[in-house]
Amino acid sequence: AQKVTQAQTEISVVEKEDVTLDCVYETRDTTYYLFWYKQPPSGELVFLIRRNSFDEQNEISGRYSWNFQKSTSSFNFTITASQVVDSAVYFCALSEAIKGSQGNLIFGKGTKLSVKP
Amino acid sequence: NAGVTQTPKFRVLKTGQSMTLLCAQDMNHEYMYWYRQDPGMGLRLIHYSVGEGTTAKGEVPDGYNVSRLKKQNFLLGLESAAPSQTSVYFCASTQGGGWNTGELFFGEGSRLTVL
Repeated sequence: AQKVTQAQTEISVVEKEDVTLDCVYETRDTTYYLFWYKQPPSGELVFLIRRNSFDEQNEISGRYSWNFQKSTSSFNFTITASQVVDSAVYFCALSEAIKGSQGNLIFGKGTKLSVKP
Repeated sequence: NAGVTQTPKFRVLKTGQSMTLLCAQDMNHEYMYWYRQDPGMGLRLIHYSVGEGTTAKGEVPDGYNVSRLKKQNFLLGLESAAPSQTSVYFCASTQGGGWNTGELFFGEGSRLTVL
């Protein structure tokens, strides 16, 4: 069965610190997608990234970077030089990517990040 | 660009009452989903639809029904509301599924309280 674990329930950092949010997943499939979503205090869910299981290249987008390691089944998210606006709940999610599957996303329970000025 | 619109945004019900949440998307997406979000539980899939006229159960379907009579609309119904259904409900849609699952576009959420 598929499962996503975000072991960190809450993290608190001071502005400008770097912070890494952990995501560990379980799946028996060899083809799958991994996602990160951000949920700011306003409540909406904002898509951050989608990664195919065959693409293990790390990705950087501004202050955000993602480290995908199939060997450890992890897809960690790092925010460099955190800002108060980064305060949010972050969700990691997994979906099967095989033909015939519905590709439903399985979400982790989320990590609440608080960035203090 | 409306994207995904949920109505109502807030609702208070008494136990046993019924109600329907409406989700409308204007992106011509095939796949639509209803999730519920509870503290410490993340998002859990209630029901989903892979196209007009189709529906299927997700992880936590009990106590809910859904319909997808039109491609752009996905309705979530509570026939007899229970306090355990107090939650924030999110609708989402995407064009691809399965081997081509793409970004899910979410509505703003509907906060439901059952007394």
